[in-house]
Amino acid sequence: SQTIHQWPATLVQPVGSPLSLECTVEGTSNPNLYWYRQAAGRGLQLLFYSVGIGQISSEVPQNLSASRPQDRQFILSSKKLLLSDSGFYLCAWSPGTGNTIYFGEGSWLTVV
Amino acid sequence: QKEVEQNSGPLSVPEGAIASLNCTYSDRGSQSFFWYRQYSGKSPELIMSIYSNGDKEDGRFTAQLNKASQYVSLLIRDSQPSDSATYLCAPSEGTSYDKVIFGPGTSLSVIP
Repeated sequence: SQTIHQWPATLVQPVGSPLSLECTVEGTSNPNLYWYRQAAGRGLQLLFYSVGIGQISSEVPQNLSASRPQDRQFILSSKKLLLSDSGFYLCAWSPGTGNTIYFGEGSWLTVV
Repeated sequence: QKEVEQNSGPLSVPEGAIASLNCTYSDRGSQSFFWYRQYSGKSPELIMSIYSNGDKEDGRFTAQLNKASQYVSLLIRDSQPSDSATYLCAPSEGTSYDKVIFGPGTSLSVIP
């Protein structure tokens, strides 16, 4: 069966510091991969999605970036965090077009 | 701007009653529709998926889709306190079936 792992689960970072969140999927190949963010009391905002290695689509222009160095690995990064970057970050995968999206456990980021 | 709207919460129902959750979407090209349940502080989990007009039943849950009206709903029969959560409506984006856009969610509270 397929599993998705995301880490770290929680982190507190100062403003201006870098960020790296990692996500890996097991038990499948060539998945679609996604990064979502959910601010406190808000809905899910799609940040990036990828349909293959090196193929990244950005949905919201901001100080975040994403990379897919391997088929089942997705990384969310920032060079300098802002207070507004605080939130619940969710990595997700799907088998392909039109299919269900499955979420990882999420990462709580607090920027102070 | 493709939009997904859900009836505002919180929605409170007594235990054993039927909970009705509604969702409208603006993208006429949407082909896949998903309902997710999200407990506080947790990642969303899939409840139902529906792709064709009409009703789809799975246990106590029934999803209803009307593409002409751009409307999708979720009925929960015999509501239980464990159903208390936020329910997210998520249609796929018509121009890119790899993307799913989430609504803001409806908070459901089942009163014992």
